[in-house]
Amino acid sequence: EIVLTQSPATLSLSPGERATLSCRASQSISSYLGWYQQKPGQPPRLLIYDASSRATGIPARFSGSGSGTDFTLTISSLEPEDFAVYYCQQRSNWPRITFGPGTKVDIK
Amino acid sequence: EVQLLESGGGLVQPGGSLRLSCAASGFTFSNYAMTWVRQAPGRGLEWVSVISGSGGGTYYADSLKGRFTISRDNSKNTLYLQMSSLRADDTAVYYCARPLGGHYYMDVWGKGTTVTVSS
Repeated sequence: EIVLTQSPATLSLSPGERATLSCRASQSISSYLGWYQQKPGQPPRLLIYDASSRATGIPARFSGSGSGTDFTLTISSLEPEDFAVYYCQQRSNWPRITFGPGTKVDIK
Repeated sequence: EVQLLESGGGLVQPGGSLRLSCAASGFTFSNYAMTWVRQAPGRGLEWVSVISGSGGGTYYADSLKGRFTISRDNSKNTLYLQMSSLRADDTAVYYCARPLGGHYYMDVWGKGTTVTVSS
């Protein structure tokens, strides 16, 4: 099983600041990584797929990078609606996808 | 509009069974593999199962140990999850989700249905 770890567990920032979230895979997954945003009481929303491609309707302030085992989600300038939990997901060994434990971005 | 709507959740005693349904609309259901993902209270996302578009291929998380069965009825545009020998740690919100075509990331999610296993 491919294990994903995310850091930090919690990121406390102010609106307008830059957020940098990390996801590390236990083995190389090429560029087969996605990022999701989840707000309380809502299902996850796909933000990024294949490490750096934005999903439909996702604002340009969200960007993804990385390959192999190390990946980053960057939110260039936090908007009030961006405070949420973010999960990474690998699809390298589809159909056995796995998710990371999540990073909570909260208001400082 | 593309939509997924889960139903069938509820309170069930340990050892009991439950069948979840997911009604799909707004897209050609049979063209897509479909997945179930669950989320225990206050926890992260856990992949449960996936079924191919035709229904001929099914896969499960190892942790389920044969207790769950995924199926679909393409004539009814509906996905199912039959759960048996339920345990307290199966308590979760269960989401059905559709993968982004050809990319295997979930771009369409239902709102989820809550399963509570408790005596």
